[in-house]
Amino acid sequence: EPEVTQTPSHQVTQMGQEVILRCVPISNHLYFYWYRQILGQKVEFLVSFYNNEISEKSEIFDDQFSVERPDGSNFTLKIRSTKLEDSAMYFCASKAVLETQYFGPGTRLLVL
Amino acid sequence: KNEVEQSPQNLTAQEGEFITINCSYSVGISALHWLQQHPGGGIVSLFMLSSGKKKHGRLIATINIQEKHSSLHITASHPRDSAVYICAVRGGNEKLTFGTGTRLTIIP
Repeated sequence: EPEVTQTPSHQVTQMGQEVILRCVPISNHLYFYWYRQILGQKVEFLVSFYNNEISEKSEIFDDQFSVERPDGSNFTLKIRSTKLEDSAMYFCASKAVLETQYFGPGTRLLVL
Repeated sequence: KNEVEQSPQNLTAQEGEFITINCSYSVGISALHWLQQHPGGGIVSLFMLSSGKKKHGRLIATINIQEKHSSLHITASHPRDSAVYICAVRGGNEKLTFGTGTRLTIIP
């Protein structure tokens, strides 16, 4: 069964460093998403992406964040200058039209 | 802004029991999702529904649009059903708003 994959599974970084989280969505999917879950809290929407542009973003998704689909298969989330409060599990998801979202296994980011 | 409330927050039951988890939301939606999050953190989509009822194996999800309420039922519960169950709603756009989840523990 096709699945969404994410790399790395874990990342530790120093505050102020840039990180890039990578996702490979399911191949025929057209809608892509990033979510985050701070430890012990609920999942929060960050951004949705369709037709090579952001279709919706939350107030969390400020100028420190960016998304890209550089090569038609990968979907990346970049955090330009990480803060301690960026420590969280980041989930990528994708979906086809009128279908449910399929989630990746997540990347656990720890900012020191 | 849609608020999503789930109850109960925690639920412990004996193997074989019938389980019900509830979700209420405050604003009209286009779809509601039930998700399962395992201890390792991975999220699996169980159902997406916008009306009526869906069944998959021992899982049943219902939604009442007028009352802004959905329930997830598990029949003949099993220890492997132990997980966090999350309700999430979608409005007119692509954004999902998540509930805080219900931690279910099934004791053998």
